[in-house]
Amino acid sequence: GAGVSQSPSNKVTEKGKDVELRCDPISGHTALYWYRQSLGQGLEFLIYFQGNSAPDKSGLPSDRFSAERTGGSVSTLTIQRTQQEDSAVYLCASSLRFGDYEQYFGPGTRLTVT
Amino acid sequence: AQSVAQPEDQVNVAEGNPLTVKCTYSVSGNPYLFWYVQYPNRGLQFLLKYITGDNLVKGSYGFEAEFNKSQTSFHLKKPSALVSDSALYFCAVRDIPGFQKLVFGTGTRLLVSP
Repeated sequence: GAGVSQSPSNKVTEKGKDVELRCDPISGHTALYWYRQSLGQGLEFLIYFQGNSAPDKSGLPSDRFSAERTGGSVSTLTIQRTQQEDSAVYLCASSLRFGDYEQYFGPGTRLTVT
Repeated sequence: AQSVAQPEDQVNVAEGNPLTVKCTYSVSGNPYLFWYVQYPNRGLQFLLKYITGDNLVKGSYGFEAEFNKSQTSFHLKKPSALVSDSALYFCAVRDIPGFQKLVFGTGTRLLVSP
């Protein structure tokens, strides 16, 4: 596809369960970003990847959050032992290269923890 | 840390009238500023960016933004609003030292009435 895709589009899970969110960036984009958009708040940076490495993990809210990227393409954001405060829309973005600041966003995954 | 502020939660304008969505910034060094738009149930879309050069930046869908260093502002403007412009608008700034990361404002909802 032409754009960033994310799956699932919606996820409802019980408190304490683990979830995996997937992001497929635009083909050829070397940089990938994860953000979180909570109700009534702006976008909160979580982590970014340059290739397969994540030089900046400062935005991950807790050690329950982790992310990986394989083959310089698909990325997975994993949340372990989900809590209700994890409920949010998780957005993925990609950009062409290092230093290219135009980030293209996917439609997001809406996570609801019950 | 770099930051942006969007002082208005919502802006209401009649179709055909000019619109302004306000953004002020606080940065150390040269500001790299962005505007994104989020339509209902869709991901964020890039509108325009200011890196250097002319203070008036033109972007997608007829939008433009004026960089004002003395007022530390980067207001988004459009000469004639359309109902289809109704959406959530985010101002963002490049963060330092993690300069691949964007720091977003809390967003302004634009409502254009027919």
